[in-house]
Amino acid sequence: EAQVTQNPRYLITVTGKKLTVTCSQNMNHEYMSWYRQDPGLGLRQIYYSMNVEVTDKGDVPEGYKVSRKEKRNFPLILESPSPNQTSLYFCASSQATGEGHNSPLHFGNGTRLTVT
Amino acid sequence: GDSVTQMEGPVTLSEEAFLTINCTYTATGYPSLFWYVQYPGEGLQLLLKATKADDKGSNKGFEATYRKETTSFHLEKGSVQVSDSAVYFCALKYAGGYSTLTFGKGTMLLVSP
Repeated sequence: EAQVTQNPRYLITVTGKKLTVTCSQNMNHEYMSWYRQDPGLGLRQIYYSMNVEVTDKGDVPEGYKVSRKEKRNFPLILESPSPNQTSLYFCASSQATGEGHNSPLHFGNGTRLTVT
Repeated sequence: GDSVTQMEGPVTLSEEAFLTINCTYTATGYPSLFWYVQYPGEGLQLLLKATKADDKGSNKGFEATYRKETTSFHLEKGSVQVSDSAVYFCALKYAGGYSTLTFGKGTMLLVSP
């Protein structure tokens, strides 16, 4: 089954304790992206990646890191989490733009992070 | 920059009522337009799309028409069901160098029996 898998689904942590949220897709997609969803703000893009070893900042990259060492994986790293990073996070993937200009994003089921 | 504006929710309807969720956009080029739906506890999934002016996207009884003259892409359904309760996001993908979607803030729909 084609899917984007995020782990964990729920995470509670304390300020300053490094954490990683994993994301994996099995559709051989070139493009992957991380979003955060907050009430009243909708979805905001954190980072995206056009292909292996290529990453770029989205609209709200501060406090986050990503890596794309393999095509299928795109982990989100919070080196020193703070309470304002409490949010619902989504990973997504799609075909690259060239032939996939209209290709839809496939989303994971989300990771709800609470930083105390 | 590009942006998408949706009507604020929640939209509360009774089953079998007619649904309209308004969406307008601003874009510097000619984007494709999308509606995504998020059911409780899940990620977003594509509901329908339209790639050029006057195109109509449709799926599961939902429809939306790409109106370039009014820069709108309103979502409609003739008869909603309780199972349609979800958050609906309008989005555009501009024909730039990468597949970035610009989302609206989402509109929650609540359908009661």
